[in-house]
Amino acid sequence: EIVMTQSPATLSVSPGERATLSCRASQSVSSNLAWYQQKPGQAPRLLIYGASTRATGIPARFSGSGSGTEFTLTISSLQSEDFAVYYCQQYNNWLKTFGQGTKVEIK
Amino acid sequence: QVQLVQSGAEVKKPGASVKVSCKVSGYTLTELSMHWVRQAPGKGLEWMGGFDPEDGETIYAQKFQGRVTMTEDTSTDTAYMELSSLRSEDTAVYYCAIGIPEWFDPWGQGTLVTVSS
Repeated sequence: EIVMTQSPATLSVSPGERATLSCRASQSVSSNLAWYQQKPGQAPRLLIYGASTRATGIPARFSGSGSGTEFTLTISSLQSEDFAVYYCQQYNNWLKTFGQGTKVEIK
Repeated sequence: QVQLVQSGAEVKKPGASVKVSCKVSGYTLTELSMHWVRQAPGKGLEWMGGFDPEDGETIYAQKFQGRVTMTEDTSTDTAYMELSSLRSEDTAVYYCAIGIPEWFDPWGQGTLVTVSS
């Protein structure tokens, strides 16, 4: 099983500031990585797939980068609606695994 | 666009089974790859299994093999996930989600399953 480790567990950011979230895989997943946003009481929402491709309707302030074992989700200027939990997910093999999540909270 | 609507919350006793449904609209189920993901209270996301279009088979995460069955009724475009031998650790929100084919979009609204004596 590929273990996905996200850091930090919690990120405190002021509105308008940049947020950088990390995701590390226990072995290479190439670019087979997705990012999701989840708000309280809601289902996750796809943000990024293929490590860097924004899903339909996702604002340009969200960007993904990385390949192999190291990945980053960057939110360039945090809006109030961006405070949520973010998960990475690898799909390099049939057993898909998620990271434990990073909570982005208001500073 | 695809929309997924799941069945309502369930309360089950330990040892029982639960069957959660996921109704598809906007597309037919045969065009889609359905997956199931669960989330225990205050915890992260856990993939349970889903349809692999390359093999034409449903693949289950090893953790759930033998206890989970994922089926589809193409006449009603409804997918089902049945989990048996329930224990307290199975208390979670269960989501259906469409695999495209390996990442998930969209997701159903979730079904809370509570296992309690």
